[in-house]
Amino acid sequence: DSGVTQTPKHLITATGQRVTLRCSPRSGDLSVYWYQQSLDQGLQFLIQYYNGEERAKGNILERFSAQQFPDLHSELNLSSLELGDSALYFCASSVARGRMPGELFFGEGSRLTVL
Amino acid sequence: GENVEQHPSTLSVQEGDSAVIKCTYSDSASNYFPWYKQELGKGPQLIIDIRSNVGEKKDQRIAVTLNKTAKHFSLHITETQPEDSAVYFCAASRESGGSNYKLTFGKGTLLTVNP
Repeated sequence: DSGVTQTPKHLITATGQRVTLRCSPRSGDLSVYWYQQSLDQGLQFLIQYYNGEERAKGNILERFSAQQFPDLHSELNLSSLELGDSALYFCASSVARGRMPGELFFGEGSRLTVL
Repeated sequence: GENVEQHPSTLSVQEGDSAVIKCTYSDSASNYFPWYKQELGKGPQLIIDIRSNVGEKKDQRIAVTLNKTAKHFSLHITETQPEDSAVYFCAASRESGGSNYKLTFGKGTLLTVNP
């Protein structure tokens, strides 16, 4: 158990809909990362938050948004869903202090299926 | 941005044999290279990492080598066991300020260890 909790584990929805994925980081970890995993693209970095502030942005679509709340949990919002958004979405957390990156602790993922 | 290429995409070995997975990276400023193992239905988990101030690191049956000049790094697993079967991801990141730790992952190698 990594200590990172993601909900829901599975989600099935229709095109055009909006969903919210939730992540609770490990106790004490200030940084939260979101990754999208698909068969052909591997693990794609979406966005990173550190202590409530956005710190790095990757290949995140404009239809997607995220935030990190004062209690450090994070939510990833996916809107106007398309078939191609079907994937496994991972949240990871790390202590992320200092200048060097450290270990990322991944949750078990939220599997999104768009029909 | 950083680009990480990983080979092979699949690797099948006999129990007891060695397995080698290779990665190349594009950003010469990258200085942190972790390897993650992902078992079926789980999130990736760090198994070993190396920083650019060393050329090799070993942990029991797992070793990682880094060639900064050629910008490639490799994972070596000796005396493979069936429980080593999983998807392995290499990744690269660069030191930066502001707690910005964007890890770029390779597309993964599915390792199968046959009993």
